[in-house]
Amino acid sequence: EVQLVESGGGLVQPGGSLRLSCAASGFTFSNYWMHWVRQAPGKGLVWVSRINNDGISPSYADSVKGRFTISRDNAKNTLYLQMHSLRAEDTAIYYCARDRFPVVTDMDNWGQGTLVTVSS
Amino acid sequence: DIQMTQSPSSLSASVGDKVTITCQASQDIRNYLNWYQQKPGKAPKLLIYAASNLETGVPSRFSGRGSGTHFTFTINSLQPEDIATYYCQQYDNLPPIFTFGPGTKVNIK
Repeated sequence: EVQLVESGGGLVQPGGSLRLSCAASGFTFSNYWMHWVRQAPGKGLVWVSRINNDGISPSYADSVKGRFTISRDNAKNTLYLQMHSLRAEDTAIYYCARDRFPVVTDMDNWGQGTLVTVSS
Repeated sequence: DIQMTQSPSSLSASVGDKVTITCQASQDIRNYLNWYQQKPGKAPKLLIYAASNLETGVPSRFSGRGSGTHFTFTINSLQPEDIATYYCQQYDNLPPIFTFGPGTKVNIK
């Protein structure tokens, strides 16, 4: 069974940093692209970042470019999101999701999310 | 960047009704369009990929069609467990970005 478990969320002050993790199991992690998607309280889904299977080609939404870094450790089956210069508008549940590229491009499995709250 | 619009933003229908949601892309996205269901307090779930393909294990009352800029998602015979918000999502290759529609909240009358 595919499992994705996020961790690392919490309360952080504006301007602070946080690193999220997503532990993957039940599939060959190194074969899949991975995403981070966030959802502010009561709002819709917003794509944040994607990394390909070997970790070389990340892409980012404009709203986080230069502040967030996606990475992965295929030996540890773990996806990361390093977040710096956090703002109130970064407050959201952060989900990791698996992408089946190149067969198709979608997000076929999701974690339960970890809440990040940016507030003083 | 490609913009996605979804309509309606919300709807109420009776059990057994046919429900249709529309997603429009601001430019041609071929069939790079997926549909997700999100129930309150839960993670999203993939229902339809590549515009019209039903994900394994998803009930056949869900379907999708379209290509280019206009896409539709249909629930044939709405069930109480279908209460959720539904999102379309597109993939653009150059540059590689992914955009969700604003969502459609489906309620039971």
